[in-house]
Amino acid sequence: NAGVMQNPRHLVRRRGQEARLRCSPMKGHSHVYWYRQLPEEGLKFMVYLQKENIIDESGMPKERFSAEFPKEGPSILRIQQVVRGDSAAYFCASSPQRTLAKNIQYFGAGTRLSVL
Amino acid sequence: AQKITQTQPGMFVQEKEAVTLDCTYDTSDPSYGLFWYKQPSSGEMIFLIYQGSYDQQNATEGRYSLNFQKARKSANLVISASQLGDSAMYFCAMSHSGGGADGLTFGKGTHLIIQP
Repeated sequence: NAGVMQNPRHLVRRRGQEARLRCSPMKGHSHVYWYRQLPEEGLKFMVYLQKENIIDESGMPKERFSAEFPKEGPSILRIQQVVRGDSAAYFCASSPQRTLAKNIQYFGAGTRLSVL
Repeated sequence: AQKITQTQPGMFVQEKEAVTLDCTYDTSDPSYGLFWYKQPSSGEMIFLIYQGSYDQQNATEGRYSLNFQKARKSANLVISASQLGDSAMYFCAMSHSGGGADGLTFGKGTHLIIQP
């Protein structure tokens, strides 16, 4: 029973390039969340998606960042025209259901993005 | 707005001793969930334990227990008989009630080091 799979584990980009981070949720999970972790900080929520729908993107920067979770295939977090401040660990989590409070999210191993 | 506070940036504990990691939270929602995650040096986020706001009993999972004091808005993690492998960052997190953002709110973490 595979866990949440993220790839790549490490990604290096030059300023101005695009970064694409992929996340496959756990089997049976239909809810995906993306978080960003800056050095020495906790995780910050970015976006919550279900298949083909963005449910909550209140934590996403307004420009350059987008996310999708298509009917087939992994969820993608896309960062266009990366800047040095985008360097961080990006975590994906998935959960089987959305209830009022018991929403246990299981995390992937993260993608470490470094912008040169 | 929800907020999680972890007041211990770092802790040193002797192997086999019990450890208490502090977490206080602030929310106006009547229904919420509290979580603890472990992040070892390898970087992945590992779910440890969950407590619902309406749960009558404190949650336990093996050597982990959650000391939930609702009136004080605290949700401390207790690790019994600590092991060297418990050395890691520990994050307290909170989920929101349904209808709002479903992203977890994280504290800044406590760096736990178990000494032999």
